[in-house]
Amino acid sequence: EAQVTQNPRYLITVTGKKLTVTCSQNMNHEYMSWYRQDPGLGLRQIYYSMNVEVTDKGDVPEGYKVSRKEKRNFPLILESPSPNQTSLYFCASSEAAAYEQYFGPGTRLTVT
Amino acid sequence: AQTVTQSQPEMSVQEAETVTLSCTYDTSESNYYLFWYKQPPSRQMILVIRQEAYKQQNATENRFSVNFQKAAKSFSLKISDSQLGDTAMYFCAFSLSGNTPLVFGKGTRLSVIA
Repeated sequence: EAQVTQNPRYLITVTGKKLTVTCSQNMNHEYMSWYRQDPGLGLRQIYYSMNVEVTDKGDVPEGYKVSRKEKRNFPLILESPSPNQTSLYFCASSEAAAYEQYFGPGTRLTVT
Repeated sequence: AQTVTQSQPEMSVQEAETVTLSCTYDTSESNYYLFWYKQPPSRQMILVIRQEAYKQQNATENRFSVNFQKAAKSFSLKISDSQLGDTAMYFCAFSLSGNTPLVFGKGTRLSVIA
């Protein structure tokens, strides 16, 4: 089954404690991206990757890191989380940005 | 930078009626792609419809159709014969050709009332 998986689905953590949200896709897609969704703001892109070892900043990259060492995986790293990073996070993959994005189920992150 | 505006934060429609969700965008490019995504209460993001700017014909998917007005930079979504399962957040999105970032609007929350 074609899918994008994210883990964990829910996470409550404290300010400053490093965390990683994993993302994996099994469709051999080249394009992957991370979004955060906040009420009244829609989805905003954090980082995207056009292929292995190629990543670029989206609209709201501050406080986040990503890596793309393998085509299927695109983890999101928060080195020192802060309360303003409390949000719903989505990973997505596609053949390219101009094509249908396949979204993961989302990760609800709360930073206290 | 490209922007996408959805001017209706919330809408409601009676079951079996037709509703239109508005979306406008701003770009100086001529070749681009437009999307409508649906997010039901399950939070899963689902593609509803996709339109290529160079195609003049409006895209249609069953009860969902778009009114694409390139000169006006407008891309509205029409839902016919609304069903309770259409209750969701709807996001309009824009992408240039190639692997440039996808830009989303802030969304319209649609409630279908029995």
